[in-house]
Amino acid sequence: DIVMTQTPLSSPVTLGQPASISCKSSQSLVHSDGNTYLTWLQQRPGQPPRLLIYTISNRFSGVPDKFSGSGAGTDFTLKITRVEPEDVGIYYCMQATQVPYTFGQGTKLEIK
Amino acid sequence: EVQLVESGGGQVQPGGSLRLSCAASGFTFAGYSMNWVRQAPGKGLEWVSSITTSSFYANYADSVKGRFTISRDNAENSLYLQMNSLRAEDTAVYYCARDHDTAGIDYWGQGTLVTVSS
Repeated sequence: DIVMTQTPLSSPVTLGQPASISCKSSQSLVHSDGNTYLTWLQQRPGQPPRLLIYTISNRFSGVPDKFSGSGAGTDFTLKITRVEPEDVGIYYCMQATQVPYTFGQGTKLEIK
Repeated sequence: EVQLVESGGGQVQPGGSLRLSCAASGFTFAGYSMNWVRQAPGKGLEWVSSITTSSFYANYADSVKGRFTISRDNAENSLYLQMNSLRAEDTAVYYCARDHDTAGIDYWGQGTLVTVSS
């Protein structure tokens, strides 16, 4: 199984400041079809996960452009340009290149 | 609007069985593979199982293989998870989730809590 490792596990951020989360996979996420199936999810307190970013950098429908994804191969990053109160929650990276789908441990974003 | 509504959770004794259901609406259910993902209390996400559109293929996490069975009824727009030989470590919120061809999973239900305890 592909192991996904996120850093940091906790990220205290000042409102209006940027945030960045790293995700590394134990093997390349490049699929045989040439795509890289790396996804970012947001889980607000008491809510189910919500899709933010797919195939490294594509924002899902309705996701504001303050969220952006980048990376390649085994190293990926989620950035939030200006953190707002509604961004509080846990962020997960997930790989869908290979079954079983696997998730990072989660990064808790909180306001400093 | 895509909606996924899980039901069937509850408390069960170790070794017992439970059947989860997921009612789908707002999209052509028969056109999508589907997943179950679980989250133990205070823990991260764990993919459990998936099933293709016609039920031809089903996949399972090693942790549930041989104990859980995924199925679907396209006529009823419903997804199921039959859980047998339940263990304490199966305690979790179980989410029904729609498969997306490039995102893995795009929509999630609200989840149903399964508690395995004597």
